[in-house]
Amino acid sequence: AQKITQTQPGMFVQEKEAVTLDCTYDTSDPSYGLFWYKQPSSGEMIFLIYQGSYDQQNATEGRYSLNFQKARKSANLVISASQLGDSAMYFCAMSGFGNEKLTFGTGTRLTIIP
Amino acid sequence: NAGVMQNPRHLVRRRGQEARLRCSPMKGHSHVYWYRQLPEEGLKFMVYLQKENIIDESGMPKERFSAEFPKEGPSILRIQQVVRGDSAAYFCASSSSTSGRTDTQYFGPGTRLTVL
Repeated sequence: AQKITQTQPGMFVQEKEAVTLDCTYDTSDPSYGLFWYKQPSSGEMIFLIYQGSYDQQNATEGRYSLNFQKARKSANLVISASQLGDSAMYFCAMSGFGNEKLTFGTGTRLTIIP
Repeated sequence: NAGVMQNPRHLVRRRGQEARLRCSPMKGHSHVYWYRQLPEEGLKFMVYLQKENIIDESGMPKERFSAEFPKEGPSILRIQQVVRGDSAAYFCASSSSTSGRTDTQYFGPGTRLTVL
């Protein structure tokens, strides 16, 4: 069974600062993928970034980067130079090898303060 | 370059009625997933389908819920005899069939079901 833990229910960050959203995971699968999704108040789920368990480099997508520490089973999302539009719920998720179901964490509500 | 399409976006049903939720995957995607999100919670997996096949339905309630992905047309999530506890947002996601890696699932806008 897979499990995702997000321990920060809410965070307040000043605009233009960097923010780190925590995510730890547990799985017995030797190969897996880790994902972050953003859910703004409008409700849609927006894919942000993906990290494969065997990827040598940490994933980056524009202002988003994933701090992947395999030994610690953590996959924290880092948002650089935060913007007001980053205010949203952020979900960490994982799946096993191949096309399998996603297991989601409970989310972190990020609020960017002007 | 259409993304995942879901309709209706909002659906209101009275207790005992049937709800039908439709999902058209992204072009080129042959894998469809359905998830349910209760208020203030994360998404919970329900079912994973490929064309004409249910691959994993381990998250589907045993009664009243069914899903299909026919050869032609959208995937359908069907809820019979709805109850108030079925009120939630239902999300569909799709992915491609690339083997050898974990494929990203792209989500539709969701259907908000309200049971009166």
